Amino acid sequence: EPEVTQTPSHQVTQMGQEVILRCVPISNHLYFYWYRQILGQKVEFLVSFYNNEISEKSEIFDDQFSVERPDGSNFTLKIRSTKLEDSAMYFCASSPAGGSYEQYFGPGTRLTVT
Amino acid sequence: AQSVTQLGSHVSVSEGALVLLRCNYSSSVPPYLFWYVQYPNQGLQLLLKYTTGATLVKGINGFEAEFKKSETSFHLTKPSAHMSDAAEYFCAVSDPDSGGGADGLTFGKGTHLIIQP
Repeated sequence: EPEVTQTPSHQVTQMGQEVILRCVPISNHLYFYWYRQILGQKVEFLVSFYNNEISEKSEIFDDQFSVERPDGSNFTLKIRSTKLEDSAMYFCASSPAGGSYEQYFGPGTRLTVT
Repeated sequence: AQSVTQLGSHVSVSEGALVLLRCNYSSSVPPYLFWYVQYPNQGLQLLLKYTTGATLVKGINGFEAEFKKSETSFHLTKPSAHMSDAAEYFCAVSDPDSGGGADGLTFGKGTHLIIQP
């Protein structure tokens, strides 16, 4: 069964460093998403991506964040200058269409900023 | 703006007992509604969803949920709990009227289900 994959599973970085989190969505899906879950808190939407551009973003997704689909398979989230409060689990999701369609989630990348 | 409230951060039931996890939403229009489950160290897996039509929806692993518009609720139930049901459960909503359709989901804080032997 197709699944969303994410690498790495765990990333440790120092404050101020740039990190890139990688995701491979399900191959025939058209919509892509990033979410984060700070330890002990709820899952929060960051950004959605469709047709090679950002479709929607939350207030969390500020100028230090960016997303890219550099080729036909990968979908990346870049954090330019990490802060301690960026430590969280980051989930990628994809969907064959928007709206009522299910979003399929990857296993997540745990980002630890020291 | 939408919001989701899940009553009870932890729910404990005995094996074989009824599971009831509560979810209420706040939205200007009836949203699309989802329940996801998260097992330890895994991603989120869809249990079931409501979009339109029959208000009682059945999902995987014997779970079901009923959309009650008058109560703005979408509670998750399972008649008989199994040890393997121990996990974190998240209720989520999306706005059916948003343009483009690439809406992010709004999640509740989650309910940790504990199954007592």
